[in-house]
Amino acid sequence: GAGVSQSPRYKVAKRGQDVALRCDPISGHVSLFWYQQALGQGPEFLTYFQNEAQLDKSGLPSDRFFAERPEGSVSTLKIQRTQQEDSAVYLCASSSRHSTDTQYFGPGTRLTVL
Amino acid sequence: DQQVKQNSPSLSVQEGRISILNCDYTNSMFDYFLWYKKYPAEGPTFLISISSIKDKNEDGRFTVFLNKSAKHLSLHIVPSQPGDSAVYFCAARAEGGKLIFGQGTELSVKP
Repeated sequence: GAGVSQSPRYKVAKRGQDVALRCDPISGHVSLFWYQQALGQGPEFLTYFQNEAQLDKSGLPSDRFFAERPEGSVSTLKIQRTQQEDSAVYLCASSSRHSTDTQYFGPGTRLTVL
Repeated sequence: DQQVKQNSPSLSVQEGRISILNCDYTNSMFDYFLWYKKYPAEGPTFLISISSIKDKNEDGRFTVFLNKSAKHLSLHIVPSQPGDSAVYFCAARAEGGKLIFGQGTELSVKP
């Protein structure tokens, strides 16, 4: 079956622009995670959804970052007024039923803020 | 502070030999650990995991060892193959299921 997909794969934004990154989890997966991976580093947790409920947003770096999953399937990570330090790869992962099940990652969206 | 550390940014091994990737953690509350493999321009792929109630888990050529007293785990790949060349991330599962990753080790297996 299809894995986790993310779009766009690459995004270039001018500083100050708003961006929206999309994640399509594996069909039927209940849990969805967003991670941010800076160059040369490991992924860092941003936020977690169980169905449509955002249960943990402790990793979001500022109030410019906002995530939603209104119907419990597709999720969107929005970054307002992008800054150069937001440049990173944004990874989405889903797991089947519980948040402790194995997480399957999408290919990521590489965001470059100029 | 880095709760999961991979102190070797890179490792080069000859094909057919053993690759040993190391990982240290600081939080004794972590009870589940995972290794992910990542190729360029792809997302991390789950490789193998281990619960803190075990000290070893094996899956084909891949074995993970856990030393709880030392807060250390390692991934052994035997025999190493050129297709194993990738970045390997160690991760600990924290509260709510989120993963805390190390910085990664880039493995290069030379033919």
